[in-house]
This record gives sequence, C-alpha cells and structure tokens, in this order.
Amino acid sequence: DSGVTQTPKHLITATGQRVTLRCSPRSGDLSVYWYQQSLDQGLQFLIQYYNGEERAKGNILERFSAQQFPDLHSELNLSSLELGDSALYFCASSVGVKNIQYFGAGTRLSVL
Amino acid sequence: TQLLEQSPQFLSIQEGENLTVYCNSSSVFSSLQWYRQEPGEGPVLLVTVVTGGEVKKLKRLTFQFGDARKDSSLHITAAQPGDTGLYLCAGVDNYGQNFVFGPGTRLSVLP
Repeated sequence: DSGVTQTPKHLITATGQRVTLRCSPRSGDLSVYWYQQSLDQGLQFLIQYYNGEERAKGNILERFSAQQFPDLHSELNLSSLELGDSALYFCASSVGVKNIQYFGAGTRLSVL
Repeated sequence: TQLLEQSPQFLSIQEGENLTVYCNSSSVFSSLQWYRQEPGEGPVLLVTVVTGGEVKKLKRLTFQFGDARKDSSLHITAAQPGDTGLYLCAGVDNYGQNFVFGPGTRLSVLP
C-alpha cells in the first residue's frame, strides 16, 4: 500500500458528462500529480500541485481542471467528456516538488 | 525538457531467460528510479539509484546507473511470469526542477 488513496476506483459515465476524481496524498506529502494512461500507453503527465498551488502543467486539456485543497487532497475535474477520455487516471504524491513519487491505485474511467 | 528513452518498447520472453532493458537520456540526472506497473494497477517503486556507476540488486533484478548519470539498465535473471508488467524509469533532472518518466518497456514472460 503506497498510502495514496484514489476514489472512485471505477467510474462509468456518458459522453458530455462531468466527473470528479479524488486523491488523498500520503501523510506529509505536499505535492500531488495527476497522470492519464490510455490502454497500453505510458503515463501522460497532466498537472502538479504543491501545497495548494499549481506548479507544473503537462498535456492537460482545457476541459480538464484540478485543484489542491488546504488539507492537501486534490480533485481532478473532467468535463464535456468524450469517448477518448476513457483511461486510467493516476494520482501520485511526493514530499517536495522533485522527490520520488508514490502512486495510488488509479481510477478507471469509462465514457460510453 | 529532459527526455528519457526506454528500449526495447516491447519484450516477450520465455520463463527462465535473462533480459536487460535500458533507460537513456542525453542529459544528466541527479537520480533515477525504476517502477513496475502491473495491468490495472499503479506504478510501484522498485529502486532509486543516485551515484554514477552504482549497482543495486533486488533479488533477481540488478539495476545500474551509468557513470555519467545519463543512463540506467535493469537486468532480470531467470525471468518468471510474475515479472510481467510495464517497467518505467523516471528521474529528477540535474537542475532539480522536474521529475520525468520514460515511456516504459512492456515485458511479457511466458510460462
């Protein structure tokens, strides 16, 4: 168990809908990262937050947004969902901004 | 942006065979990590290498960091079906600013 908790584990929704994925980092970790992994693909970095502030942005679509709350948990919001958004979404956390990342078990999103 | 390349992209071998996968960059990294990801699960950290030339062993897995800290290798001896998964290398760039992942090597060990 990495100590990073992601909910829900599975999410099935329809095109055009909006969903929120939740991540609780390891105790003491200030950084949270979000990744997307499509079938048989590598990890695509989406966005990083450090202590409540956005620190780095990757290949995140404008339809997607995230935030980190004062208690350090993070949410990834996906809107106007398309079939191609179906993927595994992983959250990772680290102590600082450049430390080893520990991953949650992921949320599997299916857009029908 | 410092990129990490991994080779081979795919590898399918028989149980009992040995294999080596590689992680390369044109840039220097202050440290490199290896992760293994099983289908439907999150990546799990296997090892961190920090010193150029460093070798670390984890049971049948041997990890080496290149002398110039630009590359790393993972050697598996007598592979088993349980070794099947996506092997990802990741590193902190030498400016200490970014943590980047390679695209991964997908290993399949057949019984």
